[in-house]
Amino acid sequence: QSALTQPASVSGSPGQSITISCTGTSSDVGSYNLVSWYQQHPGKAPKLMIYEGSKRPSGVSNRFSGSKSGNTASLTISGLQAEDEADYYCCSYAGSSTYVVFGGGTKLTVL
Amino acid sequence: QVTLRESGPALVKPTQTLTLTCTFSGFSLSTSGMCVSWIRQPPGKALEWLALIDWDDDKYYSTSLKTRLTISKDTSKNQVVLTMTNMDPVDTATYYCARYYSGGAFDIWGQGTMVTVSS
Repeated sequence: QSALTQPASVSGSPGQSITISCTGTSSDVGSYNLVSWYQQHPGKAPKLMIYEGSKRPSGVSNRFSGSKSGNTASLTISGLQAEDEADYYCCSYAGSSTYVVFGGGTKLTVL
Repeated sequence: QVTLRESGPALVKPTQTLTLTCTFSGFSLSTSGMCVSWIRQPPGKALEWLALIDWDDDKYYSTSLKTRLTISKDTSKNQVVLTMTNMDPVDTATYYCARYYSGGAFDIWGQGTMVTVSS
């Protein structure tokens, strides 16, 4: 059982927007602004899409955005494209004892 | 350009010790804020964080696996080594190394190495 809770799957049609939630606790997501999101296509290594909750690395489309409210972080993808179909994982810093926790992953299907 | 590459055995027997090496380039692990971590992913399952070593040689381990893991670095060789003892078939997974920086994210990942535990 993963430390952060994500929906197992979400879906949307091309051009639509979807949001993936990531629920943690006051010991991880709620305490630190250090949530990151990763995109993983089949057979590939994860790719960083969002860091520090809402920042995008260079080269990541501005269709990807992140936010946080309390113990829940969210990833929103607007203007869905076929290439966005992938697994998405959230991750949070959780203090020096636990350090890092991942979510269970969400499979995004573009209909 | 920052790159990381994992290497190690593709097959280990139950009870054996696994040793994986992460060889990296494009950054120095002696630079303040730099860290390298190991993450694994069983087939069809989620990512699981294993261990992290920072520029100051501080080491952090997954609570559930800490008795089996050891992480170390050789700054001169730009390598980070992970050992995992008493391997079991449930440890079958793709093992990734990744750079983790003070911004709290794994920004660059290796391609991963698949390890199967079977007799």
